[in-house]
Amino acid sequence: GAVVSQHPSRVICKSGTSVKIECRSLDFQATTMFWYRQFPKQSLMLMATSNEGSKATYEQGVEKDKFLINHASLTLSTLTVTSAHPEDSSFYICSASPTSGGADTQYFGPGTRLTVL
Amino acid sequence: AQSVSQHNHHVILSEAASLELGCNYSYGGTVNLFWYVQYPGQHLQLLLKYFSGDPLVKGIKGFEAEFIKSKFSFNLRKPSVQWSDTAEYFCAVRRSTDSWGKLQFGAGTQVVVTP
Repeated sequence: GAVVSQHPSRVICKSGTSVKIECRSLDFQATTMFWYRQFPKQSLMLMATSNEGSKATYEQGVEKDKFLINHASLTLSTLTVTSAHPEDSSFYICSASPTSGGADTQYFGPGTRLTVL
Repeated sequence: AQSVSQHNHHVILSEAASLELGCNYSYGGTVNLFWYVQYPGQHLQLLLKYFSGDPLVKGIKGFEAEFIKSKFSFNLRKPSVQWSDTAEYFCAVRRSTDSWGKLQFGAGTQVVVTP
């Protein structure tokens, strides 16, 4: 089956530093990838839609200058949390839609736990 | 306000018991509906989805869900659960006015099946 990986799985950083999270589709090409954020005991909240070769589309309330998204290839999207603060601590999950499978199909990564001290 | 509501945050039941998880949404237009499952330590996986046609949808692992438009509901059911069904279950909705792939998730229901 289709596999999506995320790296790192966990990261701890100091306040003010930047952190990059990678999302890779391992055995399929994905024109579109999605980034979600999940707070404890809450639902996944879509942050942005990432399209290969174009600018990401951010959801209302998500700071695009703080959460930089790059989708430079059909198998890789990155999320960079710039100047991270403790309130950015969360679980970040990506998903990918196969180029050939229709955008209603999403395969999810295992998530990245970010802790900002 | 929560757009997708899952009624129970935590459900505990015994093996062979029947399971029903509620999901309601608050959009008035056409929707696509999904149930995802996350087993301990694993990724979110699609259980089933509804786009159109027969409102009773069958998914993997013996799960089914029924879309009741008048009630804005898409409840998930399984007649007889197994210990391996212990997982977190998420309902998700895509509004027809949204771009493909933009899903609104419920808060999830943690299901624990005891032997």
